[in-house]
Amino acid sequence: GQQLNQSPQSMFIQEGEDVSMNCTSSSIFNTWLWYKQEPGEGPVLLIALYKAGELTSNGRLTAQFGITRKDSFLNISASIPSDVGIYFCLIQGAQKLVFGQGTRLTINP
Amino acid sequence: DGGITQSPKYLFRKEGQNVTLSCEQNLNHDAMYWYRQDPGQGLRLIYYSQIVNDFQKGDIAEGYSVSREKKESFPLTVTSAQKNPTAFYLCASRPQGVAGELFFGEGSRLTVL
Repeated sequence: GQQLNQSPQSMFIQEGEDVSMNCTSSSIFNTWLWYKQEPGEGPVLLIALYKAGELTSNGRLTAQFGITRKDSFLNISASIPSDVGIYFCLIQGAQKLVFGQGTRLTINP
Repeated sequence: DGGITQSPKYLFRKEGQNVTLSCEQNLNHDAMYWYRQDPGQGLRLIYYSQIVNDFQKGDIAEGYSVSREKKESFPLTVTSAQKNPTAFYLCASRPQGVAGELFFGEGSRLTVL
């Protein structure tokens, strides 16, 4: 089945620092999605990527999936306390959706 | 406003009891999903349904059952056969033809006493 590896598993940073996380897959996918989950809540869609190589932004967030269509990254610039949470990547496999394991972001004020 | 509503938010159950978690959406989405999340873990698929009156097992369906009698509703029953039911349960839906844009409910936390 499809494998999706997300890294890092966790990050501990200072407020104001930039953040970068990525997902790699064993197969090619044409749609990559990034979600954020806050404690005790459901994940919320941050960015949807449909075109390989194209940089997509949403405020301080920037994401892209590579030309090979086997990887994607999410960057957060100038982190703030409300960025705390778990970030997931998601791809659509054969009839099923595949999630990365998540990156837990902790920010020290 | 359109969205997905899960209830209850918190549920406590004694061992041996079945419980049903509700998931209702008014987004007119065809596909609905149930995921389980354990502390520090990712999301694992329990069941999914792509159309009314049809559903498929996910990766961890044992001890769970679902129904899809209406497009808007996809309840999940956690049966006594589920050996370790304490977890956070998430329902999601998405429209046909929009690759992967899942919308999630706020989750239901089930604790077995």
